[in-house]
Amino acid sequence: EAEVAQSPRYKITEKSQAVAFWCDPISGHATLYWYRQILGQGPELLVQFQDESVVDDSQLPKDRFSAERLKGVDSTLKIQPAELGDSAMYLCASRSPAKAFFGQGTRLTVV
Amino acid sequence: GESVGLHLPTLSVQEGDNSIINCAYSNSASDYFIWYKQESGKGPQFIIDIRSNMDKRQGQRVTVLLNKTVKHLSLQIAATQPGDSAVYFCAEIPAGGTSYGKLTFGQGTILTVHP
Repeated sequence: EAEVAQSPRYKITEKSQAVAFWCDPISGHATLYWYRQILGQGPELLVQFQDESVVDDSQLPKDRFSAERLKGVDSTLKIQPAELGDSAMYLCASRSPAKAFFGQGTRLTVV
Repeated sequence: GESVGLHLPTLSVQEGDNSIINCAYSNSASDYFIWYKQESGKGPQFIIDIRSNMDKRQGQRVTVLLNKTVKHLSLQIAATQPGDSAVYFCAEIPAGGTSYGKLTFGQGTILTVHP
C-alpha cells in the first residue's frame, strides 16, 4: 500500500540552528499539506500545495519558515532559525482528489 | 470563523462496548469529511470518509453518520477493542470558498478502552 514518506522521524536541534524536513507524497497526489501538531492538540495547517504552487500559506510564519515543492512531487519544510516554541510534530499529508493520507511525522525538539 | 470541534474531549469504554465519538462543524460549504485515528507518536491514520451527499457510511466495525441539518458528524465503533485506544479527529474539506481544499481538524477525542 502506498504511503506518505517523511524523514527524519526525530530531530533534535539547538535554538537558532536551521532544520529541514522532507516529505514524499503518494504518487499522483497533486495536493500536499504540511501541518504542525503540538502535543494534546489537533494538527494545524502550515502550508498547502497544489502541484508546485502554494495554495495557502496564511498560517506559515514566513520570517523563519519556508516550504517548497519544486517539481510538484516531494516537498521540503525548513525552519531557520529554530526557536524553542517550534518543538512539535511536523506532519505531511497528500490527497488526490478525495482521501487524504498522512506520513508518520517528524518529531522536532529544539533545545 | 470556520471551525471543526468535538463535543467530548475524552471517552472511556469497556472492551466489547460500542463507542460513539461526536464532532460539530460550522462550515456549511464543507463537501467532504474524514475521521482519523492517531496513536501516540504516530501520524493520523485514515479511518473512514463521507461526502456531504450521504447520511451514513459503513466500514469494518465503524460507521460514520452525517447530519447536515445540525452540522454534526459522528463515528461509531462497534465492539470496541483495546487496540482502538487512541485520539480520534474529525476533519473537513470545503468544496468552495476561500478555504477550498483546506483540510481542517478539530481538537480530538481521547478514546480509552478498558479490558
